[in-house]
Amino acid sequence: EADIYQTPRYLVIGTGKKITLECSQTMGHDKMYWYQQDPGMELHLIHYSYGVNSTEKGDLSSESTVSRIRTEHFPLTLESARPSHTSQYLCASSSRREAFFGQGTRLTVV
Amino acid sequence: AQSVSQHNHHVILSEAASLELGCNYSYGGTVNLFWYVQYPGQHLQLLLKYFSGDPLVKGIKGFEAEFIKSKFSFNLRKPSVQWSDTAEYFCAVNADNAGNMLTFGGGTRLMVKP
Repeated sequence: EADIYQTPRYLVIGTGKKITLECSQTMGHDKMYWYQQDPGMELHLIHYSYGVNSTEKGDLSSESTVSRIRTEHFPLTLESARPSHTSQYLCASSSRREAFFGQGTRLTVV
Repeated sequence: AQSVSQHNHHVILSEAASLELGCNYSYGGTVNLFWYVQYPGQHLQLLLKYFSGDPLVKGIKGFEAEFIKSKFSFNLRKPSVQWSDTAEYFCAVNADNAGNMLTFGGGTRLMVKP
């Protein structure tokens, strides 16, 4: 079983609130990713990191920000949530030969 | 830019039919190839992976994939699908000369009719 954890699993929050989605992995992987996925749709890469202090924006523009202060931790923050941010957010980590996904956070902004 | 293409966005099959999902990539050099599956309401799981050696890779649940280097392809196959195979399937690639960052295709939604 992969050791990558996302919290919370589900979140309903009001417009304008600041939220942080947590992602942690215990495999020592350098590379970590955040994807946004609407139900049954493709994965959109929104952020990735090569390692500590490295963060890059992905293919899909996102108003969220990320940080990578520790290898195992890659949180995603929305400063002011909007209904358009309603989606599922998936965290992943990888080495050359393996990649694992968290269970995802389903975010609903009302 | 490196990319991964899955040309079949939606596939509908009857049980016992054979399955082949296409995956093509645009990287040069040494690549590592993966297929992931996402069952309804669940997280992505690894089906199979290829790094080197025999280009025909066998994975879980009777799936297999063949790496054809000359065609830049890594198609997923299953001889006889079951209703429980209904899911979204994602091909992914990382390349040794691209920092081994994982790139996904757009996914193929498979529906198997009982």
